[in-house]
Amino acid sequence: SYELTQPPSMSVSPGQTASITCSGNNLGDKYACWYQQKPGQSPVLLIYHDSERPSGIPERFSGSNSGNTATLTISGTQAMDEADYYCQTWDNNTAVFGGGTKLTVL
Amino acid sequence: QVQLQESGPGLVKPSQTLSLTCTVSGGSIRSGSYYWSWIRQPAGKGLEWIGRIYTGESTNYNPSFKSRVTISVDTSKNQFSLKLSSVTAADTAMYYCARDPIGQSGSSDSWGRGTLVTVSS
Repeated sequence: SYELTQPPSMSVSPGQTASITCSGNNLGDKYACWYQQKPGQSPVLLIYHDSERPSGIPERFSGSNSGNTATLTISGTQAMDEADYYCQTWDNNTAVFGGGTKLTVL
Repeated sequence: QVQLQESGPGLVKPSQTLSLTCTVSGGSIRSGSYYWSWIRQPAGKGLEWIGRIYTGESTNYNPSFKSRVTISVDTSKNQFSLKLSSVTAADTAMYYCARDPIGQSGSSDSWGRGTLVTVSS
């Protein structure tokens, strides 16, 4: 079955740029999306179609997807961005999630 | 603004069938513009996709669940449902229902708040 790999955790200083990666075999040939999940809350869609932002999502969130890696970039990271982030794609009519990355802002 | 709300028993005995319902408000489930999905998350772990249904009742399921899962829709009640049979403790998780807009690469743009299901005797 298809697998997506994310770093379990990463940290970033406030105001800096965080880049969260998601790796999968030829992931660039598929579409990737990204979710943010804060403790005790439901996931929120941040990016779909590799780089599209739903309405209401701040411009500091951006996405890209090429080769074997999709990347979520958070520019000017804020304390409120501390959360778990999940990538997702589709393979053979099955949705696949990455294991998630816990982002700490400190 | 669409809202989704999961409901169902919070405790299910091993080997029994887990049954959950997602009620959609603020929009019609009959709309041909969406898939309707179920996703779960064990405590402290990541998201796991269970399956989805389209209004025309076509379904996709995660092969990991083999033949244990059934998703159905009741357009008269604006609801869709999940049944997971032969449950074990490994099925203990927060269960979310979600809406997937057609043409957004299978992403889920609206989620319910989730309902916790514990499998225990």
